[in-house]
Amino acid sequence: DTAVSQTPKYLVTQMGNDKSIKCEQNLGHDTMYWYKQDSKKFLKIMFSYNNKELIINETVPNRFSPKSPDKAHLNLHINSLELGDSAVYFCASSQLADRTDTQYFGPGTRLTVL
Amino acid sequence: RKEVEQDPGPFNVPEGATVAFNCTYSNSASQSFFWYRQDCRKEPKLLMSVYSSGNEDGRFTAQLNRASQYISLLIRDSKLSDSATYLCVVNIDDSSYKLIFGSGTRLLVRP
Repeated sequence: DTAVSQTPKYLVTQMGNDKSIKCEQNLGHDTMYWYKQDSKKFLKIMFSYNNKELIINETVPNRFSPKSPDKAHLNLHINSLELGDSAVYFCASSQLADRTDTQYFGPGTRLTVL
Repeated sequence: RKEVEQDPGPFNVPEGATVAFNCTYSNSASQSFFWYRQDCRKEPKLLMSVYSSGNEDGRFTAQLNRASQYISLLIRDSKLSDSATYLCVVNIDDSSYKLIFGSGTRLLVRP
């Protein structure tokens, strides 16, 4: 009964490929996020969706495209992968409507681009 | 200047020690403040929120100084299981709940 789940856990791929990471939450939250944690351990927000609507869109290359088919899912598609995309990508969710503070994170997807 | 700054450590302390971490933030309009904990190769998890009057949760005490834009975390009676990276986190925009994470302070508690 994992609260926030991501697949795959590990992803190793060649430069130039296109890949997707999936995220699902069963907490009934209205808001979901994608974060990138690089080799220096900085955790940085990329996107946020509230009720399937994009509310945060940081300066991220347009090779990255999030998609939220419903409130419980937020997927991340990455086109033309580059070496610098290697990082751990975390999905998270929270209940923005209740003004609660806690964001719950998934276990992360470790992406390695060769 | 980084939006949230922390000493990366590592802080290497014996079991039972008291250790304190500090964090500064640059945006004076920041609304809410948190400490998250991240174990090696795991996801971040909320440790505690930080309130203006200061707050305590067991062995953990958090303080906020808005005038100096400074947040602290004090851990008393350190346990081996406290070994982790502690992330200082600031919410600069309550409407979209955008969290800014510090790069973390690593704590190693030795027997």
